[in-house]
Amino acid sequence: KAGVTQTPRYLIKTRGQQVTLSCSPISGHRSVSWYQQTPGQGLQFLFEYFSETQRNKGNFPGRFSGRQFSNSRSEMNVSTLELGDSALYLCASSLVGGPLYEQYFGPGTRLTVT
Amino acid sequence: AQKVTQAQTEISVVEKEDVTLDCVYETRDTTYYLFWYKQPPSGELVFLIRRNSFDEQNEISGRYSWNFQKSTSSFNFTITASQVVDSAVYFCALSPGNTGTASKLTFGTGTRLQVTL
Repeated sequence: KAGVTQTPRYLIKTRGQQVTLSCSPISGHRSVSWYQQTPGQGLQFLFEYFSETQRNKGNFPGRFSGRQFSNSRSEMNVSTLELGDSALYLCASSLVGGPLYEQYFGPGTRLTVT
Repeated sequence: AQKVTQAQTEISVVEKEDVTLDCVYETRDTTYYLFWYKQPPSGELVFLIRRNSFDEQNEISGRYSWNFQKSTSSFNFTITASQVVDSAVYFCALSPGNTGTASKLTFGTGTRLQVTL
């Protein structure tokens, strides 16, 4: 069974640009969550999508958005990039979400904003 | 609001030593779940264990064991006879217990474990 895949693995962008990250969940999984990991703030929940709907959202500005497609693949977008957006962005998939179902994490996309 | 505290930033041990990673949590929920994840240098978080708030039994899995004490809001993780392959960052996490809620994990800041020969 293929794991969670994230593309690209590494990305370098300039301040003010926008970026789109992609996550393909494990086959059959309908819940996709996104997390940001930085040395200063640690791992923080961004949002979760289930059946193409955002089900929950963390405390991030509106520059951070996401969507989920009918095949459960998800994308997250960050507009008007700031230096502080440099981070490892992790995606996790789960069968239906919620604490009873294990979340499987992908290897992450490392975003560097210069 | 939920909070997870991992006071140990970094721990170094020599192989075969036992090591305990501490985790203290705060939540107002009566039903909640606690987790431990391992993050090796590759970056991918690996699930180790989930424990619900109503199950205070300790658990042992091979060299790993977990001690959940609701009275002290702690969920500590012990590795017995540590090995170099255990070197990683370990995260404790907390989730609301309602099954209808989203998969929102609150993570601690992690403990970096370095096991040397």
